[in-house]
Amino acid sequence: AQTVTQSQPEMSVQEAETVTLSCTYDTSESDYYLFWYKQPPSRQMILVIRQEAYKQQNATENRFSVNFQKAAKSFSLKISDSQLGDAAMYFCANSNSGYALNFGKGTSLLVTP
Amino acid sequence: GAVVSQHPSRVICKSGTSVKIECRSLDFQATTMFWYRQFPKQSLMLMATSNEGSKATYEQGVEKDKFLINHASLTLSTLTVTSAHPEDSSFYICSAPDRGTDTQYFGPGTRLTVL
Repeated sequence: AQTVTQSQPEMSVQEAETVTLSCTYDTSESDYYLFWYKQPPSRQMILVIRQEAYKQQNATENRFSVNFQKAAKSFSLKISDSQLGDAAMYFCANSNSGYALNFGKGTSLLVTP
Repeated sequence: GAVVSQHPSRVICKSGTSVKIECRSLDFQATTMFWYRQFPKQSLMLMATSNEGSKATYEQGVEKDKFLINHASLTLSTLTVTSAHPEDSSFYICSAPDRGTDTQYFGPGTRLTVL
């Protein structure tokens, strides 16, 4: 069974600052994918960033980057230059190719002016 | 990115009635779609996997006779909540994987309220 753990129920960051959200996972698969999804108050799930496990290079999307430590099964999300619009629930998830996502419990991010 | 639509966005119904929710992949084909349920302030829980041309696969504890899934085409899956009761009130979300990128895209969700 695959499990995803997000140990921070809530995080707070000041506008323009940097914040890191933690995620660890457990899987017996050798080939898998990791994701961070954002869920704003509208509840629409928005893909933030994805990482293929076989790629050693950390994924980056503009202000969002990950620190993927495969041996440690860790997949943290760093948000740089935080903006008010980044406030949302963030879910870490993993999956095998074509299979359903397995989500962590989420981290609620508050951005203060 | 790929777009997945979901209809209706909100539905209120009386206890005992059935409600159908549609999930469509608008610009790609999806032989598989997934249905999740999310209770307030909780994570998404997988209910079932919808397979085009074959029966759906349900997660443990999900009643297949209550939550009927039909994957009629490569772009449409429907979830029917039969004989709905107040405890079925929840937020239902579908997703579809874009095989080209192995990324799942989500519909906007349906808020079901059963009175």
